[in-house]
Amino acid sequence: DIQMTQSPSSLSASVGDRVTITCRASQGISNYLAWFQQKPGKAPKSLIYAASSLQSGVPSKFSGSGSGTDFTLTINTLQPEDFATYYCQQYNIFPYTFGQGTKLEIK
Amino acid sequence: EVQVVESGGGLVQPGGTLRLSCEASGFSFSSYSMNWVRQAPGKGLEWVSYISSGSSSTRYVDSVKGRFTISRDNAKNSLYLQMNSLRVEDTAVYYCARDGNMDVWGQGTTVTVSS
Repeated sequence: DIQMTQSPSSLSASVGDRVTITCRASQGISNYLAWFQQKPGKAPKSLIYAASSLQSGVPSKFSGSGSGTDFTLTINTLQPEDFATYYCQQYNIFPYTFGQGTKLEIK
Repeated sequence: EVQVVESGGGLVQPGGTLRLSCEASGFSFSSYSMNWVRQAPGKGLEWVSYISSGSSSTRYVDSVKGRFTISRDNAKNSLYLQMNSLRVEDTAVYYCARDGNMDVWGQGTTVTVSS
């Protein structure tokens, strides 16, 4: 199985900051990488697919990059509604696998 | 509006069965593969199962193979997960999600396996 490792596991930041979350795959997955945002008690929300493509309706403050094994999610100008848990997911090879999550908290 | 809505969760004893449903609307359901994803209390996301648009291909995470069966009825715009021989560790919120990149998610349905 492909292991997805996110770093950091938790992150404290202030409103207005820019943050970057990293996701590393244990083997190459081309660009079959998605990013999700999840708030407590809510379903995950898709942000990015194909490593760098923004889902419809997602603000451009979110961006993704990478290919192969190393990927990043960048969030610009943090707002209070951005504090949540973020997951990466590979959909190149079964079983699909998720990273362990990165909890973004307000400093 | 594009949406999927899960139902069928509940409390069941270990060894019991449940059938989850996911009803899709607002898009051409028969054109998309579908997935089930679960989240145990306080834990991360775990992919459970996949079915291709025409049901020709199905896949499962190892921990549910032989116990869970995914199916769909494109005429009814519905996805199903038949869960047999349930274990305590199957306790989770179960989500259905559209396509490999999981661009559309439902609100989830809660499955609790407990005696």
